[in-house]
Amino acid sequence: ELKVEQNPLFLSMQEGKNYTIYCNYSTTSDRLYWYRQDPGKSLESLFVLLSNGAVKQEGRLMASLDTKARLSTLHITAAVHDLSATYFCAVDTAGGAQKLVFGQGTRLTINP
Amino acid sequence: NAGVTQTPKFQVLKTGQSMTLQCAQDMNHEYMSWYRQDPGMGLRLIHYSVGAGITDQGEVPNGYNVSRSTTEDFPLRLLSAAPSQTSVYFCASSSARGRRNSPLHFGNGTRLTVT
Repeated sequence: ELKVEQNPLFLSMQEGKNYTIYCNYSTTSDRLYWYRQDPGKSLESLFVLLSNGAVKQEGRLMASLDTKARLSTLHITAAVHDLSATYFCAVDTAGGAQKLVFGQGTRLTINP
Repeated sequence: NAGVTQTPKFQVLKTGQSMTLQCAQDMNHEYMSWYRQDPGMGLRLIHYSVGAGITDQGEVPNGYNVSRSTTEDFPLRLLSAAPSQTSVYFCASSSARGRRNSPLHFGNGTRLTVT
């Protein structure tokens, strides 16, 4: 059974600081997703990582995938308040059928 | 382009009642799925479909039925609601054609309370 674990689950940080969210998963997969969710809202796709060594960046967020270590990271650079949200990683278990297993989520709060 | 549309947004049921959560997408996506979101547990897959007429169980299917008679629609039926089914339900879709690059597109969710 595939398990996906994120850490930390809660993160409070100051604007301007850098931090990393970690996503570990227990079985082989070459497709990993990052999503953002604002309170009471739906999930918004941030990144799709498809292969070992994949790195994608959008603004202050950068995601990477190491399939050998079964680890993905979401790095936040010079955080701003607008990035406050819950971030989820999810791993595809079915090679394209989109049966995703989600991590528990990391609730990120960025204080002025 | 509406994307993935879920109705209703909120619903309160009594234990034992049945209901159907509606989901429709207008992106001609082959894949559709239902997830439930509970505090501290992320999202868990209930049922999914890879095309019209084809459905399969996810991680937590008990107490739920689905059918997929058209590409656009994927309703989720609660047969006899239980308090343990109190949750936020998300419908999602994705394309099989660009499947390696295609993320899930989520609806806005249905918040269900069973008393």
